[in-house]
Amino acid sequence: QLQLQESGPGLVKASETLSLTCTVSGGSINNNNYYWGWIRQPPGKGLEWIGNIYYSGTTYYNPSLKSRVTISVDTSKNQFSLEVTSVTAADTAIYFCARHRIDQVVFPWGQGTLVTVSS
Amino acid sequence: SSELTQAPAVSEALGQTVRITCQGDSLRSYFATWYQQKPGQAPVLVMYGQNNRPSGIPDRFSGSSSGNTASLTITGAQAEDEADYYCSSRDSSSHNHLVFGGGTKLTVL
Repeated sequence: QLQLQESGPGLVKASETLSLTCTVSGGSINNNNYYWGWIRQPPGKGLEWIGNIYYSGTTYYNPSLKSRVTISVDTSKNQFSLEVTSVTAADTAIYFCARHRIDQVVFPWGQGTLVTVSS
Repeated sequence: SSELTQAPAVSEALGQTVRITCQGDSLRSYFATWYQQKPGQAPVLVMYGQNNRPSGIPDRFSGSSSGNTASLTITGAQAEDEADYYCSSRDSSSHNHLVFGGGTKLTVL
């Protein structure tokens, strides 16, 4: 059974870089049927797609975040990562990592991790 | 990029049929996907494709689509169905991008 687990600091200072890692277990990231992606949810608000990455390294990003976001993959560790630069309070959210099918059906999801941006 | 519009909230009596809708231009080209999210939990996939339920999702959940509108129908809503429901689809301007609706909070009375 495939599982994903987010890890990283829960508190980031404004203007700094948010960094999270997603560890995949129960299956390999080296799978040409899936992308691996990030989705966030500000407290009490809806879901926002951040972007995803193919095992080969090809990435796709939400245009509204593209200038500040980098997603990378480490197939040797079966992990993929997210960086968001120059964070502000608006980046405070629960960050979910998840597997995306080629048709963009997202399943399964990690449990999510809350990242708070402090001033 | 595309936008998907959902009603913020819907309520229905226990055991009744409830329909949650999602509107957007991308739905003319792509199927909607539906996720259920309960408080403090990650979203769970409940419907995808033309009308496909993942393993473990009760058959009271069904999906349909017409024009630019997709619907998730719960026939005989149960108390445990009370949750936020989000639709999503591929972005019509870039099929490699994903868009979400704003979510609908379902209250089962």
